[in-house]
Amino acid sequence: LAKTTQPISMDSYEGQEVNITCSHNNIATNDYITWYQQFPSQGPRFIIQGYKTKVTNEVASLFIPADRKSSTLSLPRVSLSDTAVYYCLVGGGFQKLVFGTGTRLLVSP
Amino acid sequence: DAGVIQSPRHEVTEMGQEVTLRCKPISGHNSLFWYRQTMMRGLELLIYFNNNVPIDDSGMPEDRFSAKMPNASFSTLKIQPSEPRDSAVYFCASSPGAVAGGSYEQYFGPGTRLTVT
Repeated sequence: LAKTTQPISMDSYEGQEVNITCSHNNIATNDYITWYQQFPSQGPRFIIQGYKTKVTNEVASLFIPADRKSSTLSLPRVSLSDTAVYYCLVGGGFQKLVFGTGTRLLVSP
Repeated sequence: DAGVIQSPRHEVTEMGQEVTLRCKPISGHNSLFWYRQTMMRGLELLIYFNNNVPIDDSGMPEDRFSAKMPNASFSTLKIQPSEPRDSAVYFCASSPGAVAGGSYEQYFGPGTRLTVT
């Protein structure tokens, strides 16, 4: 299983763009990169998933360089409600999902 | 769609008692996962099923824990006997399963907060 490394915490202000980078040096050829968001007292929620290059949806963008050894989750113009823990996961198919400690994002006014 | 349904939402029990947590996955999803979350250990995968068959139960902490999925719309996680260290939030998640290319997406339920005194 590919191990992921991401910052423990990040601080931002409302309206700013936030980029959270995740390292996954031993990612396998079949692995996808997935990001989840978790609010207090709730289960994690899927944000975005990608394999290579760039993926964008209504919530975020995911940038994956050619070597796929890292990925960056980009949240445009964050608001207070984006305060949460963000998890980067690597895997595919029926591989066991391993949630690391995640990145605790705090958005302030 | 109602999403993943878990019951009970909160459970308080005494050490030594049997605890049964229940989960109803999203209709049409063929994979089901049980997780446990604590401050100390974070979010841990306990077991997952595909088409009602357990695929990987290596995360089940010990023999006191057991999980079943008798049909596609119901699963249980049982702890017998319960211990204070089992106190945690237990999440159930379901997934449409692997699709071409091996991608997946899991939908989590609201969790069951278990307190064992």
